[in-house]
Amino acid sequence: AQSVAQPEDQVNVAEGNPLTVKCTYSVSGNPYLFWYVQYPNRGLQFLLKYITGDNLVKGSYGFEAEFNKSQTSFHLKKPSALVSDSALYFCAVRDGMDSSYKLIFGSGTRLLVRP
Amino acid sequence: DAGVIQSPRHEVTEMGQEVTLRCKPISGHDYLFWYRQTMMRGLELLIYFNNNVPIDDSGMPEDRFSAKMPNASFSTLKIQPSEPRDSAVYFCASSPTGRNQPQHFGDGTRLSIL
Repeated sequence: AQSVAQPEDQVNVAEGNPLTVKCTYSVSGNPYLFWYVQYPNRGLQFLLKYITGDNLVKGSYGFEAEFNKSQTSFHLKKPSALVSDSALYFCAVRDGMDSSYKLIFGSGTRLLVRP
Repeated sequence: DAGVIQSPRHEVTEMGQEVTLRCKPISGHDYLFWYRQTMMRGLELLIYFNNNVPIDDSGMPEDRFSAKMPNASFSTLKIQPSEPRDSAVYFCASSPTGRNQPQHFGDGTRLSIL
């Protein structure tokens, strides 16, 4: 069965410091992995995705994510955090062997960037 | 480009009333998804459609919930009768064909059942 875990409910970081939001997954086949961000009273916005290829994926707003097959992880990173990055972040996975279009979402991690 | 459009943005109604949520997907997207988000349960997939046909409705909580997609540009999620435990934010999302494609979300309908 597919699953995704975001082990931290909240991540706190100072503005200008690097940030990491963690995500691990479990699928039978090769994964399709996605990161989304949700601002208050808004829908989820797509940030980036991993399909195959380079293990470092670059996305919107300066975010990137590192795919690690051996650790089954897909951590979201940004070299220098901004206060405006404060939001709720979701990791999602789809099993490459499954024909379904379902996306399995993690429980979300709240990122708080302090000035 | 227009994104996924949901209406209404907010709905407050009394228990027992019928509620209808509406969604217009992005033009050209073949897949449409309905989600529910609550603090307790997080983001739950209720149902999804492909080319206007329901594919998986295993997430629909009970018979009080129904969803339709009469054409490629419109879908509804209906709750009848509504109950206080249905209070949540309901999202619609759409995506093009391709399992490596991301879903694009609307801004949701915040539903409160009194």
